[in-house]
Amino acid sequence: DTGVSQDPRHKITKRGQNVTFRCDPISEHNRLYWYRQTLGQGPEFLTYFQNEAQLEKSRLLSDRFSAERPKGSFSTLEIQRTEQGDSAMYLCASSLVVAGGEQYFGPGTRLTVT
Amino acid sequence: QKEVEQNSGPLSVPEGAIASLNCTYSDRGSQSFFWYRQYSGKSPELIMFIYSNGDKEDGRFTAQLNKASQYVSLLIRDSQPSDSATYLCAVNPSGNQFYFGTGTSLTVIP
Repeated sequence: DTGVSQDPRHKITKRGQNVTFRCDPISEHNRLYWYRQTLGQGPEFLTYFQNEAQLEKSRLLSDRFSAERPKGSFSTLEIQRTEQGDSAMYLCASSLVVAGGEQYFGPGTRLTVT
Repeated sequence: QKEVEQNSGPLSVPEGAIASLNCTYSDRGSQSFFWYRQYSGKSPELIMFIYSNGDKEDGRFTAQLNKASQYVSLLIRDSQPSDSATYLCAVNPSGNQFYFGTGTSLTVIP
């Protein structure tokens, strides 16, 4: 499978715990995006990387969220001290750096905070 | 004002009819426009992208872009029950961040 992969697919955690998600992009894609999606809403931008550099981060993103892409390949998204409001689908997408490069999404990680 | 606006629907069409989905955007300098299909519980799937004014056809799908009026639409011809999904419009104003609409729910009635 040469598409975007995400792990885990589902995560249930208790409020206050830390969680980490992983995303493996399409191999030749150098841009990687993280989104959050809640029911009835479109994907909400969180952050994106070009190679290993984090180029943009949403102003709405809490300091409890951090993302890395250490070698320009896979990326991790960590949420510290989870809150019930963090329950959502976390989506990863990748693209090439070309004008308007289309993004391809992974299957997502569904987080439930109890 | 939201960057991307879509009518949330639901939109219902009979099988075989044309489904028309619309989207407006606020950033006049936007250059790239995308339509994604999302089935319930699944992630978005890219179905069309368009960069230039006019129409772009791919099979049963046609994307239409009018930059002067700041709208982009998606037509689905010969709609099938398998087309029942939420359709997300996405706009890329600057080549970096994408903005998504809330999606239009489409139901194709057999």
